Amino acid sequence: RKEVEQDPGPFNVPEGATVAFNCTYSNSASQSFFWYRQDCRKEPKLLMSVYSSGNEDGRFTAQLNRASQYISLLIRDSKLSDSATYLCVVRDDMRFGAGTRLTVKP
Amino acid sequence: DTGVSQNPRHKITKRGQNVTFRCDPISEHNRLYWYRQTLGQGPEFLTYFQNEAQLEKSRLLSDRFSAERPKGSFSTLEIQRTEQGDSAMYLCASSRNGFGNQETQYFGPGTRLLVL
Repeated sequence: RKEVEQDPGPFNVPEGATVAFNCTYSNSASQSFFWYRQDCRKEPKLLMSVYSSGNEDGRFTAQLNRASQYISLLIRDSKLSDSATYLCVVRDDMRFGAGTRLTVKP
Repeated sequence: DTGVSQNPRHKITKRGQNVTFRCDPISEHNRLYWYRQTLGQGPEFLTYFQNEAQLEKSRLLSDRFSAERPKGSFSTLEIQRTEQGDSAMYLCASSRNGFGNQETQYFGPGTRLLVL
């Protein structure tokens, strides 16, 4: 089993939709999690940290479920500009997931 | 521009040649990381430095790969006797030492390597 797993997608959603991605991890001792977005042929850019209590940044909400060992990213009111690949990372192990591709369509 | 910079941005080489990439981190960041990314995959950790000390190396980093950060500022990644399987994007990231979610990595634009 891979140590950090993501559904590769693609997720194709209309503008304004709400979409959620999950990312499972195998190391139960992991403490530090992040979401990055990566545009085609560009470097990953930090989207948000994932805190134990959950955190929100505008249309984006990140949550951590320690019992089931996954983190989630929720995007509300999706925009065309949200089209990208979303990478989760477990910083303790320095392991990235393979990414989930999102395409938002008009 | 005060972000992470990498040079060259693109490199085409023939199998068997040596290549060297450079990374300049954000100036106040004491940690520097190298990753490799292939199409459809997330970045794979290769190695990282805290100041000039190389603290961890992945099993992915064969003996053909070597990284240095001699003065604790910029870093170089050298690949000797390149193979076609080395073709990938090589990403550098830097961070300021911190705990848990306080340590955020910022990535450079990457060096795209093609081995013919």
